[in-house]
Amino acid sequence: NAGVTQTPKFRVLKTGQSMTLLCAQDMNHEYMYWYRQDPGMGLRLIHYSVGEGTTAKGEVPDGYNVSRLKKQNFLLGLESAAPSQTSVYFCATMIPGLADIKNEQFFGPGTRLTVL
Amino acid sequence: AQSVTQPDIHITVSEGASLELRCNYSYGATPYLFWYVQSPGQGLQLLLKYFSGDTLVQGIKGFEAEFKRSQSSFNLRKPSVHWSDAAEYFCAVGPMNTGFQKLVFGTGTRLLVSP
Repeated sequence: NAGVTQTPKFRVLKTGQSMTLLCAQDMNHEYMYWYRQDPGMGLRLIHYSVGEGTTAKGEVPDGYNVSRLKKQNFLLGLESAAPSQTSVYFCATMIPGLADIKNEQFFGPGTRLTVL
Repeated sequence: AQSVTQPDIHITVSEGASLELRCNYSYGATPYLFWYVQSPGQGLQLLLKYFSGDTLVQGIKGFEAEFKRSQSSFNLRKPSVHWSDAAEYFCAVGPMNTGFQKLVFGTGTRLLVSP
């Protein structure tokens, strides 16, 4: 099992360019999340999805769009990249519920994005 | 709004010494509480979690945490630190009123281990 994978691992963009980050999971988890991590700010939630075909805004959604067309994939898009979007992006998945192994988020290895 | 405070940005501990990382949360009821660890260049790994019951929780790698409702705290401890524990540690809160859908993370504490 690969768990949670993210593509690409690194990317450099110029201001105004667009790109899509892919998160893929083979754990059949219902919930998926996109976070950004910036120094001194911890992880901030961008968007999340509680199931195939559904998405919701998190804490910092501006400048990003997402899609969850398939249960196993969660895409994060930047339509017109800005230097303020330079960050490390993490995807996470979760099984909701009250059982012991549930409500734990599993993280991917991250994508380091630089916008010049 | 729910929030998590990790007051220490950096902590340096000698190898073999004990460790305590602080975490305070702001929430009106008992939340779900988590500690994650992030090694350099890696994603986050769950160390331990508290949902209910015994307020002293054991995790992986010899870590434990104690939930103290009266202090709104969930401090992480380890009796003897190893050099491989050098990493960044994040406390997180899962508010129950969101149906456990979202976590709120603290800003992290970077642990440095000196020889």
